[in-house]
Amino acid sequence: DTGVSQDPRHKITKRGQNVTFRCDPISEHNRLYWYRQTLGQGPEFLTYFQNEAQLEKSRLLSDRFSAERPKGSFSTLEIQRTEQGDSAMYLCASSQTPGATGANVLTFGAGSRLTVL
Amino acid sequence: AQTVTQSQPEMSVQEAETVTLSCTYDTSENNYYLFWYKQPPSRQMILVIRQEAYKQQNATENRFSVNFQKAAKSFSLKISDSQLGDTAMYFCAAKSNTGNQFYFGTGTSLTVIP
Repeated sequence: DTGVSQDPRHKITKRGQNVTFRCDPISEHNRLYWYRQTLGQGPEFLTYFQNEAQLEKSRLLSDRFSAERPKGSFSTLEIQRTEQGDSAMYLCASSQTPGATGANVLTFGAGSRLTVL
Repeated sequence: AQTVTQSQPEMSVQEAETVTLSCTYDTSENNYYLFWYKQPPSRQMILVIRQEAYKQQNATENRFSVNFQKAAKSFSLKISDSQLGDTAMYFCAAKSNTGNQFYFGTGTSLTVIP
């Protein structure tokens, strides 16, 4: 297993366009998180899944944002009608389910950097 | 919800010296986890060290150790024998035992000077 993979690493788009990011977590990790990180700030929680169920969403997540994890493996984060304020690094992380040794540790991917012009 | 505060936006240390990064947090939970993550420039975030609140003994990982003061809600990171590769952003984070979210501070940018 090569860790958490994110694609694309960089995306430049024009305002109003839709973008989609993909995250492939560590295979035995049931939990998957999306975070957003702007320059000079810490990661801000967006949403998280346990298997295919989206169990929690941040109030920061406007209705232009949608995330899925259809088969409990990879996840996608889509941003519709992008705005300049959406420019940020989008981080994916995964962890094991409660009770497992690594249940309370996040393993991060390298992130997908979005620039909205 | 938990809040995590890092009051040192930037720090520097001479190579081979020791540096301490500060972190305070606020929680109403009795059992929780605290973390320090490292994010090198243009690279992914990796776990440095983890502390479980019910454990009184401070966690250590090689050159990295923490000073966990539960009553004061303080969780500082000490880096001994600093190396150039320690140059990175360091984020303090907290997670309750019952919740699902990890809460991060705003980070401290550490530069190790040769």
